Amino acid sequence: GEDVEQSLFLSVREGDSSVINCTYTDSSSTYLYWYKQEPGAGLQLLTYIFSNMDMKQDQRLTVLLNKKDKHLSLRIADTQTGDSAIYFCAEKNTGGFKTIFGAGTRLFVKA
Amino acid sequence: ETGVTQSPTHLIKTRGQQVTLRCSSQSGHNTVSWYQQALGQGPQFIFQYYREEENGRGNFPPRFSGLQFPNYSSELNVNALELDDSALYLCASSPSGDRDEKLFFGSGTQLSVL
Repeated sequence: GEDVEQSLFLSVREGDSSVINCTYTDSSSTYLYWYKQEPGAGLQLLTYIFSNMDMKQDQRLTVLLNKKDKHLSLRIADTQTGDSAIYFCAEKNTGGFKTIFGAGTRLFVKA
Repeated sequence: ETGVTQSPTHLIKTRGQQVTLRCSSQSGHNTVSWYQQALGQGPQFIFQYYREEENGRGNFPPRFSGLQFPNYSSELNVNALELDDSALYLCASSPSGDRDEKLFFGSGTQLSVL
């Protein structure tokens, strides 16, 4: 079946790195995404990785994919208070019509 | 470039009523998906529309229905509202042929059923 699981809560100090983890069950997942949701808003795509990659870096964001263990992580370097939000891991198959989301990890950044 | 817009932003209904939510897709996007996000949960896929046809459906009953118009805007209709339908309803558009199949979300409609 299709399932995406994430830890529910993470608290870090401003300036530290944050690492948000995710596991998924569908071995045919082709695309893996990280979306961010701020209070009262919709989801915003942060970054994504294709399943034949194992790492992608985009400014302060680093995505690591372990396809064997079906484990995805998002590292945010130099975390700022503005990074406080809910982060959703999501997966999709090529040609499929739906994106499957996890329940979200609430990141709290202490000044 | 205009992003995805949804209306209304908030809505209060009573059990048994019907509701229509609206979505304008981002310019150039011809695929629209609807998601339900209950409090504290991730978005759950309701259905997707492409070229005015339902392209796929999640695990939602038939009282959830939709439409897509020639300008790619879309409506979500929910009949016989139940208390559990209270949620944030998100519309997302995507361009056909987008290899990475990214979703662009609106800010959602917060529906409360009393």
